[in-house]
Amino acid sequence: GENVEQHPSTLSVQEGDSAVIKCTYSDSASNYFPWYKQELGKRPQLIIDIRSNVGEKKDQRIAVTLNKTAKHFSLHITETQPEDSAVYFCAASKGDSNYQLIWGAGTKLIIKP
Amino acid sequence: DSGVTQTPKHLITATGQRVTLRCSPRSGDLSVYWYQQSLDQGLQFLIQYYNGEERAKGNILERFSAQQFPDLHSELNLSSLELGDSALYFCASTPGTGERETQYFGPGTRLLVL
Repeated sequence: GENVEQHPSTLSVQEGDSAVIKCTYSDSASNYFPWYKQELGKRPQLIIDIRSNVGEKKDQRIAVTLNKTAKHFSLHITETQPEDSAVYFCAASKGDSNYQLIWGAGTKLIIKP
Repeated sequence: DSGVTQTPKHLITATGQRVTLRCSPRSGDLSVYWYQQSLDQGLQFLIQYYNGEERAKGNILERFSAQQFPDLHSELNLSSLELGDSALYFCASTPGTGERETQYFGPGTRLLVL
């Protein structure tokens, strides 16, 4: 079945630097790729998503890139700030009738002051 | 606020007991998903309902069951509770039609089994 691998499991960056989290998926039929941010004890919240007909999408300091050929997508956070510290999850969906998301294992992002 | 509500926020109970977690989806959303998140772990998909019918099953234990009612709210029933069932339980909802696959999460129910 579909599998999503996420790396790294933990990422520590200096405040102001960039952070990149990568995910690979196995099912070439996947066409929707969201990223969620989860702060400690809180709900996962969608921060950005991309569909397979687009190669890149930006929203202020956050961007997502998609390489359909290689079946991987990445989250880029620039000018990191302390409030970016959280666990980030990637996911993939085939957009079928279930709209089920296959989740990555998560990346704990630590922003060092 | 995502528009998805969950009750209760916290639940403390003993091993062997049974509890019911409740979820109300966003207005107009037909599909509800349940997830379990143990401490420092990822999101484990349990089960999905669409307009009252079970649509997909994940790693849901036989001791767990769920249903979605005509008003589209959903309940997750956990029975014969074990210490390892202590976790955050989230529900999420999507419209279930069109290209709107985005899942919106509720605030979660934190279950502690003693």
